[in-house]
Amino acid sequence: ETGVTQSPTHLIKTRGQQVTLRCSSQSGHNTVSWYQQALGQGPQFIFQYYREEENGRGNFPPRFSGLQFPNYSSELNVNALELDDSALYLCASTPGGSKNTGELFFGEGSRLTVL
Amino acid sequence: GDSVTQMEGPVTLSEEAFLTINCTYTATGYPSLFWYVQYPGEGLQLLLKATKADDKGSNKGFEATYRKETTSFHLEKGSVQVSDSAVYFCALLSGGSYIPTFGRGTSLIVHP
Repeated sequence: ETGVTQSPTHLIKTRGQQVTLRCSSQSGHNTVSWYQQALGQGPQFIFQYYREEENGRGNFPPRFSGLQFPNYSSELNVNALELDDSALYLCASTPGGSKNTGELFFGEGSRLTVL
Repeated sequence: GDSVTQMEGPVTLSEEAFLTINCTYTATGYPSLFWYVQYPGEGLQLLLKATKADDKGSNKGFEATYRKETTSFHLEKGSVQVSDSAVYFCALLSGGSYIPTFGRGTSLIVHP
């Protein structure tokens, strides 16, 4: 069983640039969530995708956007990067329907540094 | 709204010491409660969970009991190891919601 994989693991951008982060969900999982984890903080919910549609969003501006593909993999896009966007971005997947026990299955994250 | 409060870290212990990390919560209804662990350089992984009052979750020697009367879910381990050094996150999931609320995390450092 393949776990959640994310890429890239580390990247450095400058203010104003755009970034795309990628996530492959665990086999059999059709729901993907994205979280931002600032240094010393807990994960903050950005949004969730289910069957290629966004079905929940946290308190993040529209320059944070995403996609989910037919194979349930997902992308997080952040436009007009700001210094405060520097964080670890975590992707988590869950199975749908009755198989969902509430447990999130996380990838190892993409660490973004904005200079 | 829902919230989770964890004790401030870091918690520094010697190997084989007893561990308690406090977690209290505010939520409507009867949430499910979770402890996740994040080892250095890794993502979070579920450590244990409890879904109803008085349930005890346990895994790898760690335990936590869902206390509805005190709205708490404290994490305990009788004898910590150096390999337990990590950040521990308490989280809750309210009934009908699919978005868990996480605490800020508590760093545990275990010295040999």
